[in-house]
Amino acid sequence: QVQVRESGPGLVKPSETLSVTCTVSGGSIISSTNYWGWIRQSPGKGLEWIGSIFYSGNTYYNPSLKSRVTMSVDTSKNQISLQVSSATAADTAIYYCFFSSIAYSLFDNWGQGILVTVSS
Amino acid sequence: SYVLTQPPSVSVAPGETARIPCGGDNIGRKSVHWYQQRPGQAPVLVIYHDSDRPSGIPARVSGSNSGNTATLTIGRVEAGDEADYFCQVWDSTSAVVFGGGTKLTVL
Repeated sequence: QVQVRESGPGLVKPSETLSVTCTVSGGSIISSTNYWGWIRQSPGKGLEWIGSIFYSGNTYYNPSLKSRVTMSVDTSKNQISLQVSSATAADTAIYYCFFSSIAYSLFDNWGQGILVTVSS
Repeated sequence: SYVLTQPPSVSVAPGETARIPCGGDNIGRKSVHWYQQRPGQAPVLVIYHDSDRPSGIPARVSGSNSGNTATLTIGRVEAGDEADYFCQVWDSTSAVVFGGGTKLTVL
């Protein structure tokens, strides 16, 4: 059974780049039709989709974050990475990795999430 | 940009039926998905494509979508159903849109 798990620094300084990684286990990124990506949730708030990526590199980004977000796939490590540049306190959130096996437009499998705090 | 509107909270007694609305302009023309998020846990997909259930979701959980409102219905509510529920659609201009979420309280 395919699972995803997030990892990365829990604390990032303002103006620096926030980076988190999602490791896929139980299956290969390139041997499926799944879409992979990131959703975040600020403390006590709602859900915000960041973007989705296919193993070939095709990406879809949230228009409101597109200028600061980069997503990539490392097929050799079976990992998906997210970078958010020029981080501010508003980027403090739980970052969830997901994969979509039913359709690219919904999210049927989620990781447990990782809390990233932007603070000096 | 496309907006989904949910009430902040819905309360229901055990054994009763909970109905959680999700409002949007002509949402009936879109495919709506619903997620349950229990405290301290990641969201779980409970309804997709308006009314389909993923494996493992009980039949007492159902969805409908028409006009300007989609509705998640949970029958015979139990204490374990207490959670936040989010609706979601894919919009051609906004891409992924989530509703603000509804906290279901079981009295």
